Amino acid sequence: NAGVTQTPKFRVLKTGQSMTLLCAQDMNHEYMYWYRQDPGMGLRLIHYSVGEGTTAKGEVPDGYNVSRLKKQNFLLGLESAAPSQTSVYFCASSYWQQNQPQHFGDGTRLSIL
Amino acid sequence: TQLLEQSPQFLSIQEGENLTVYCNSSSVFSSLQWYRQEPGEGPVLLVTVVTGGEVKKLKRLTFQFGDARKDSSLHITAAQPGDTGLYLCAGRTNFGNEKLTFGTGTRLTIIP
Repeated sequence: NAGVTQTPKFRVLKTGQSMTLLCAQDMNHEYMYWYRQDPGMGLRLIHYSVGEGTTAKGEVPDGYNVSRLKKQNFLLGLESAAPSQTSVYFCASSYWQQNQPQHFGDGTRLSIL
Repeated sequence: TQLLEQSPQFLSIQEGENLTVYCNSSSVFSSLQWYRQEPGEGPVLLVTVVTGGEVKKLKRLTFQFGDARKDSSLHITAAQPGDTGLYLCAGRTNFGNEKLTFGTGTRLTIIP
């Protein structure tokens, strides 16, 4: 049972570089989410998707873009990385029914120099 | 704007002691979940509470949802080193809302 798989696990970028974080889930979940986790701030929602081909903004969407071309994959892009985007990024997925748990990957630790 | 404030932010206690973690908001939530996160991993769901005043027990962990559905607490009895981790509350503000708002987190350390 792979669950939610995030790649890469670690990455160091220079300011201005771009990259894509990949998230894959094998549970046939309709909903997928991208969060960032910073010390003392819990998890903050960046973008989310309620189905293939749909995306929506969360609490902190600026500087990020997402795509959900296939139901099982949710991609998070940084077009021009900034030091403020240094964080641990988590992907999660869930079924659409009310009060379902969100299942998380193990995170991607991203440092922007 | 952080809707859910957790207290304390850090807690370090001896094995065998009892503790309570609080999750407070000025907003009403239709449901609230508690997650535990261990280093290098993502959060894992512990419990979901949906009714004001609801109490749920999970072995030595007791979860309560406030009567007004604005707050929640997690009480651990006879804490063990395996309870160490980051505890996060998360709430939904509207019925059918697919989004969760996470609290600021409580980092718990149980000293053997």
